[in-house]
Formats: sequence, structure tokens, C-alpha cells
Amino acid sequence: AQKVTQAQTEISVVEKEDVTLDCVYETRDTTYYLFWYKQPPSGELVFLIRRNSFDEQNEISGRYSWNFQKSTSSFNFTITASQVVDSAVYFCALSGALQHASGGSYIPTFGRGTSLIVHP
Amino acid sequence: DVKVTQSSRYLVKRTGEKVFLECVQDMDHENMFWYRQDPGLGLRLIYFSYDVKMKEKGDIPEGYSVSREKKERFSLILESASTNQTSMYLCASSRGSSYNEQFFGPGTRLTVL
Repeated sequence: AQKVTQAQTEISVVEKEDVTLDCVYETRDTTYYLFWYKQPPSGELVFLIRRNSFDEQNEISGRYSWNFQKSTSSFNFTITASQVVDSAVYFCALSGALQHASGGSYIPTFGRGTSLIVHP
Repeated sequence: DVKVTQSSRYLVKRTGEKVFLECVQDMDHENMFWYRQDPGLGLRLIYFSYDVKMKEKGDIPEGYSVSREKKERFSLILESASTNQTSMYLCASSRGSSYNEQFFGPGTRLTVL
């Protein structure tokens, strides 16, 4: 079975602070995919990024960066110079690469989410 | 603009009623999902469908059933609604491979009185 742990339930920061959201995963698959999603107060989850298990390069997109480390089974997300608009619930997710099969790990598993509150 | 739409944003039903939640996607996606979201519990998968008429149980299927008669539409059915089914219900879709990200609908907040 696969598992995603987001140990931080809620993080509160003041605007312009940097913040890191942690994601730790467990899987027996050798090929797998990791995702981050954002759920703003309006409610609709939006895809942010995907990483496959063979690509450990860090990714930067504007103020967002992602640090994938297979050695520690972590896929952490950092927001630099946070803004009020970053306030949202952030979910980390994992899916394996197996094809359709009953009980297969190809179905995404989500962490419980981290609520980020950015105060002005 | 790609879209997943859900039939209602808010719904209030009475205990024992049969409830239908509809989800439609316009991206020709093979996979469709129903989740419920509760505070502190994250997203929990109710049912998953990878093709028309095909379905698989998720983590919490009890008290729910689903129907997928057409590729673009995935319905969640509460046969006899109970108060513990009060929740936010999210529909999602994705292309066939697990490599692909999910697209989510806006959610239906269901209250069962």
C-alpha cells in the first residue's frame, strides 16, 4: 500500500516570509509519480506540479520551488516571499505506475493537506 | 478551457432520501473519481471509474454507489442518505495513465438533516 504524510496540519505566516510544506511518502513501486495541488478558499483543487521517480531535479517556478529527495522519500514545497493569495490548503499526492488492476497503486493517494494562512 | 462540472454547489437533503450527485467532464478523460473531503481527514476516495460501466471501490464505498453510462458523466448515488454523509463531495477526472494529473470540479457541499 502507498501512503502520503503531510505532518503539518496548519501553518501561519506573515506576508513575505518563506514557508516550506513537507510531504513524506511510502511506496513499494519503483516507478511512481508525485503531485502537489492547491485548494484555495473557493474550493476547487488545482494541479501545481508533477514529479516522476526518476527525476530528482529540483524545480522552480516563480516563487514556488519543489525539492524531491528519494533518499528521504520526501517531496517538499517551498513558497518564497509568501503572499496573501497563497493562503490555501495544499495537498501532496502519489500514484504508482501499475496499469489497471484491482487494488493497484495507480490510483492516487492524497495526504491530509496542509492549510497555509498568510497574514498581511 | 477544460472543465469538470458538478450539478450542485450546495444541496440539503433529509435522512433516508436517495441523493444523486452528477459530474461531467469535457476532456474525454478515461478516469473519473469521487472523493469526500472532511476537516482533518483530507480527500478520501469513494469510487473510481477507468472506463464506461467500469468501477472500483475506493477507501470508503459503504453507503454509496456509482454509475458511468457515458464516458463524460460519473454519478454518485447515496441510496439512503444519513447524517454522517454530510460532507463536501469532489469529482475529478484524468487521462488513463497514472502519470496524469487530476482535474477537479468545484465540489458539492451536501448537508443531510
